[in-house]
Amino acid sequence: NAGVTQTPKFQVLKTGQSMTLQCAQDMNHNSMYWYRQDPGMGLRLIYYSASEGTTDKGEVPNGYNVSRLNKREFSLRLESAAPSQTSVYFCASSELAGGFPQETQYFGPGTRLLVL
Amino acid sequence: GENVEQHPSTLSVQEGDSAVIKCTYSDSASNYFPWYKQELGKGPQLIIDIRSNVGEKKDQRIAVTLNKTAKHFSLHITETQPEDSAVYFCAASSGNTPLVFGKGTRLSVIA
Repeated sequence: NAGVTQTPKFQVLKTGQSMTLQCAQDMNHNSMYWYRQDPGMGLRLIYYSASEGTTDKGEVPNGYNVSRLNKREFSLRLESAAPSQTSVYFCASSELAGGFPQETQYFGPGTRLLVL
Repeated sequence: GENVEQHPSTLSVQEGDSAVIKCTYSDSASNYFPWYKQELGKGPQLIIDIRSNVGEKKDQRIAVTLNKTAKHFSLHITETQPEDSAVYFCAASSGNTPLVFGKGTRLSVIA
């Protein structure tokens, strides 16, 4: 099992460009999450999907959109990238559905995004 | 909403010594407290968690303690080894809100 995979590993964008970060998990998990990690800020939740077909905003959703394409895949889209979105983005998944299950979250290796 | 404070931000210890990382939380409804370890270039990985009905939990060289009255919890690593060098994050959740993470502690174990 690959666990949680993310593509691309690294991306450079110019201000105003758009891109989609891809995430897939092969553990048959129900919940999926997108976080951003900035120096000195820890991990902050952008969006989450408590089950296939549902998505909700997290702590820092502005400037992002998400799609839960199917049970395996959860993508994050930047419509018009800004320098403030320079960060490392992590996708995670957990087994249970609904709400905020208090269980292990499995993280992908991250995508480093630089917006110039 | 929940606020999690984590200290220290950096910690250096000699190999074989113990390391302690402390976190405080603000929401008395929080009842789940995981700790994640992040090695360089990788995503965080759960190393231990504790729920509010338990005061202490151990797993080999790692232990977590919880003081609900004071709203703080701590990670203890004994007999530290170079492979313990990483960034450690605490987090808290009430079950009705997402996990809120602390800002992380960079632990360096000096051989």
